[in-house]
Amino acid sequence: AQTVTQSQPEMSVQEAETVTLSCTYDTSESDYYLFWYKQPPSRQMILVIRQEAYKQQNATENRFSVNFQKAAKSFSLKISDSQLGDAAMYFCAYRSANDMRFGAGTRLTVKP
Amino acid sequence: KAGVTQTPRYLIKTRGQQVTLSCSPISGHRSVSWYQQTPGQGLQFLFEYFSETQRNKGNFPGRFSGRQFSNSRSEMNVSTLELGDSALYLCASSLGLRDIQETQYFGPGTRLLVL
Repeated sequence: AQTVTQSQPEMSVQEAETVTLSCTYDTSESDYYLFWYKQPPSRQMILVIRQEAYKQQNATENRFSVNFQKAAKSFSLKISDSQLGDAAMYFCAYRSANDMRFGAGTRLTVKP
Repeated sequence: KAGVTQTPRYLIKTRGQQVTLSCSPISGHRSVSWYQQTPGQGLQFLFEYFSETQRNKGNFPGRFSGRQFSNSRSEMNVSTLELGDSALYLCASSLGLRDIQETQYFGPGTRLLVL
């Protein structure tokens, strides 16, 4: 079974600094996507960034970028120039044709 | 476009009762997925519906069921409620092109408390 592991239950970052959230996964499938979702205190989950397993190039969306290490099954999220609005729960997710799994989440606090 | 809506937003039930939750997807989206979120188990996939048919199913007991209507709206039913069913139930919609890269758009959730 596919598992998604986020080893950092909580992280803290100073405003304007950079933080990296870790995620590892386990799968025997070759075709899958990886996602990072953000869930602010209002509870509406939104997509932050996604990565196709076949692409070696790391995805980037403005201040958000990933470090995708396929062989190591690692998919970390880097947030640059952190803002107060980045404070939320961040979930790493794995999706294949027949499965969708989420990690336990990392609570990110941004200090002013 | 209006986002994914879920009703009701909050619900209190007692053990043994049943409950029905509703989800209206974004206009044009044909796939609806349901998730259960709890502090202990995190986010777990319940099932996905597409064109009124269940396309995928997670590892939940048969007390959890769902259906989808011709307008893509979906309902989820939990029968014989247990205390452990207390959770935030999230609905997510997508176009349903069966492309795993497809973005899912989440609703605000229904918070169910079972007493």
